[in-house]
Amino acid sequence: DVKVTQSSRYLVKRTGEKVFLECVQDMDHENMFWYRQDPGLGLRLIYFSYDVKMKEKGDIPEGYSVSREKKERFSLILESASTNQTSMYLCASSGGGAWETQYFGPGTRLLVL
Amino acid sequence: QKEVEQNSGPLSVPEGAIASLNCTYSDRGSQSFFWYRQYSGKSPELIMFIYSNGDKEDGRFTAQLNKASQYVSLLIRDSQPSDSATYLCAVNMARNNDMRFGAGTRLTVKP
Repeated sequence: DVKVTQSSRYLVKRTGEKVFLECVQDMDHENMFWYRQDPGLGLRLIYFSYDVKMKEKGDIPEGYSVSREKKERFSLILESASTNQTSMYLCASSGGGAWETQYFGPGTRLLVL
Repeated sequence: QKEVEQNSGPLSVPEGAIASLNCTYSDRGSQSFFWYRQYSGKSPELIMFIYSNGDKEDGRFTAQLNKASQYVSLLIRDSQPSDSATYLCAVNMARNNDMRFGAGTRLTVKP
């Protein structure tokens, strides 16, 4: 079974803090994704990566950066957390083709005070 | 126009009934379509995928795809209270090989 894990289930941070969210997958997937999910807005893509050291902006990259130094690990960084970044953050991974399913991690619920 | 559109619901059906969930998409070249189920506070989990026009059945679930109408649906037969969740439609967009998700339809199955 595909396993995608995220470093924290719940996180509380203060405005202005630098926040690191980590995601690890064990299926040797090429693609990894970071989404945020907010009520009524669905899943919105923040960043994705098709390979090590590669990254592409999604729909809402502002205020975020990512790092993919190893194939299995994809990190999301909030450079200076703000209250409007309070959300559920979901990591996903998939194989290389258009036919490939995305598998999700358990999510991190982030509260920025 | 949103790339993937779903009726947000809530959709309420009695136990044992058929629940019908619908999704439309904008990119005519899209080739792969997915249905995910998401329980409250949990992450999405894949129910089914479909690539070809027509129906695909898996147990109580049937996915239907009509590429000409740019429409994909999910039917849940003999609905159970445990089917109560939000159902997300996802489409792999041909133009950029991106997966796009609808906002989800919340389904409630009443005993």
